[in-house]
Amino acid sequence: EDQVTQSPEALRLQEGESSSLNCSYTVSGLRGLFWYRQDPGKGPEFLFTLYSAGEEKEKERLKATLTKKESFLHITAPKPEDSATYLCAVQANYGGSQGNLIFGKGTKLSVKP
Amino acid sequence: GAVVSQHPSRVICKSGTSVKIECRSLDFQATTMFWYRQFPKQSLMLMATSNEGSKATYEQGVEKDKFLINHASLTLSTLTVTSAHPEDSSFYICSGGLAFYEQFFGPGTRLTVL
Repeated sequence: EDQVTQSPEALRLQEGESSSLNCSYTVSGLRGLFWYRQDPGKGPEFLFTLYSAGEEKEKERLKATLTKKESFLHITAPKPEDSATYLCAVQANYGGSQGNLIFGKGTKLSVKP
Repeated sequence: GAVVSQHPSRVICKSGTSVKIECRSLDFQATTMFWYRQFPKQSLMLMATSNEGSKATYEQGVEKDKFLINHASLTLSTLTVTSAHPEDSSFYICSGGLAFYEQFFGPGTRLTVL
């Protein structure tokens, strides 16, 4: 069964304290792995797509990496405005082009000034 | 980035009534649109996938007669919750599919059924 597990469930950081969020996945053929940011009461905001092991992408203080079993979202010197829930999702390489995403439960990040 | 809008953002209705939620892709054509629901402190669960001009494909356990989906054009999909009940109260989010299977999400609609 395709599955996505994110850890930790919640993470509290001080401003400037770098850390990483983990996304472990099992899928029968990975088409893509996606990271989203979700603020309370809002829809997910697209951050990154990773397609193959070894791939890395960066955006401001965020850097996403991918291996064959997991992905990490590294947050460097976070600021309070980085506080949000970060969602990881995978897309399996089957079922035609429907593009179904399987989401993890997310990591709720809180950054204190 | 690609922008998706939803309307309304929040709706409160009485039990037994029907509610329609619109999802529009504003600056791209979405051949595929997805509908999700999200319960408090839970992740997004896919309800159905709709392709323009054809019938929606529903996930297992989702009642197609209760959640009617119409994908009338490349920029508009609607979800109608028929005969809504309190257990249908949730956060409904749509997304539009773009190149390389990336999905861009709308801001969501909070449905409360009294």
